[in-house]
Amino acid sequence: EPEVTQTPSHQVTQMGQEVILRCVPISNHLYFYWYRQILGQKVEFLVSFYNNEISEKSEIFDDQFSVERPDGSNFTLKIRSTKLEDSAMYFCASSRALGYEQYFGPGTRLTVT
Amino acid sequence: AQKVTQAQTEISVVEKEDVTLDCVYETRDTTYYLFWYKQPPSGELVFLIRRNSFDEQNEISGRYSWNFQKSTSSFNFTITASQVVDSAVYFCALSGTRNQGGKLIFGQGTELSVKP
Repeated sequence: EPEVTQTPSHQVTQMGQEVILRCVPISNHLYFYWYRQILGQKVEFLVSFYNNEISEKSEIFDDQFSVERPDGSNFTLKIRSTKLEDSAMYFCASSRALGYEQYFGPGTRLTVT
Repeated sequence: AQKVTQAQTEISVVEKEDVTLDCVYETRDTTYYLFWYKQPPSGELVFLIRRNSFDEQNEISGRYSWNFQKSTSSFNFTITASQVVDSAVYFCALSGTRNQGGKLIFGQGTELSVKP
């Protein structure tokens, strides 16, 4: 069964450093998403991506964040200068069309020290 | 604004009890989609069900059933004869069509603990 994969599973970084979180969505899906979940809290939307451009982003997704689909399979989230409050679980998701179920990857736990 | 409310933060039941998780949503969209996801202790988000706003038929899948009522803006989830493996956080989510981005708006989640 196809699944969304994410690497790394855990990333520890120092404040101010850049991190890149990687995702491989399900191959025939067209819509890609990033969400984050601060420990013990609800899942929050960051950004959606379709046809090689951002289709929607939240207020959390400020200038320090960027997304890219560098090739036909990978989908990345870059945080340029990490802050302590960026510590969270980051989930990538994909869906075949708008309104359809989104399948989530296992997440990357980002710890900023 | 779109919003999902799961008023029950934690529920604890004994195995074999039935349990209902409540979900109330707000949206101005006429076309929208509702979802339930399960997050077991291992942390992944597992898709359970999707409903669109035009389909109010209740759905049953094994021990799981869902009751969608547009009149009360609710999409409740019932687990019949609960098992220890059902212990998890359950999230209700809403996706509208207005902004065309497909984002999911999640509720706060209900942590279900099923004790043997």
